[in-house]
Amino acid sequence: NAGVTQTPKFQVLKTGQSMTLQCAQDMNHNSMYWYRQDPGMGLRLIYYSASEGTTDKGEVPNGYNVSRLNKREFSLRLESAAPSQTSVYFCASSRRTGLAKNIQYFGAGTRLSVL
Amino acid sequence: DQQVKQNSPSLSVQEGRISILNCDYTNSMFDYFLWYKKYPAEGPTFLISISSIKDKNEDGRFTVFLNKSAKHLSLHIVPSQPGDSAVYFCAAQPQETSGSRLTFGEGTQLTVNP
Repeated sequence: NAGVTQTPKFQVLKTGQSMTLQCAQDMNHNSMYWYRQDPGMGLRLIYYSASEGTTDKGEVPNGYNVSRLNKREFSLRLESAAPSQTSVYFCASSRRTGLAKNIQYFGAGTRLSVL
Repeated sequence: DQQVKQNSPSLSVQEGRISILNCDYTNSMFDYFLWYKKYPAEGPTFLISISSIKDKNEDGRFTVFLNKSAKHLSLHIVPSQPGDSAVYFCAAQPQETSGSRLTFGEGTQLTVNP
């Protein structure tokens, strides 16, 4: 049981290049999330998808777009990468939203450097 | 505006002793709290949680305490082991009907020395 799988694990981009980070979960979870982790700032929510077909902005959405392709997959796209987007990106999923306990399960992360 | 704050970036303890990690929050709408552990080059993994209707939750060596009036929670690890060395994040969830977004603290690096 793989859980949450992120690809690629590492990526180096030049300023202005675009790329898509892929995320897939095999736990039949309804909700999926994208975070970035920067030193001293913890995990900050970029976008999330409460259920298939819906997406919403998180705390730091500027410069990113997302697609909830189906229940399993949630991708994060950088249209024109900037050095400020150098970070470690984590995808997560959880069983359901609402008042239920929201235990999120994380992938191993994508380390992105923008030069 | 940091709604969840972990004021200690790092903590070092001896093996066998107690580790106490602290977390403060400002949003009174938070009603569910979680601790995650993160090893280098891995994603965070869920450790333990507590609902606001409780003041303590215990799971083996790990206990989380919640003081709602002080908007403070703490994670106790007893006894601490070298394998506990990791970054610990506290997170909080508001009581709402959609989204169930978690707000994370900055993290505390715990080092347990043999």
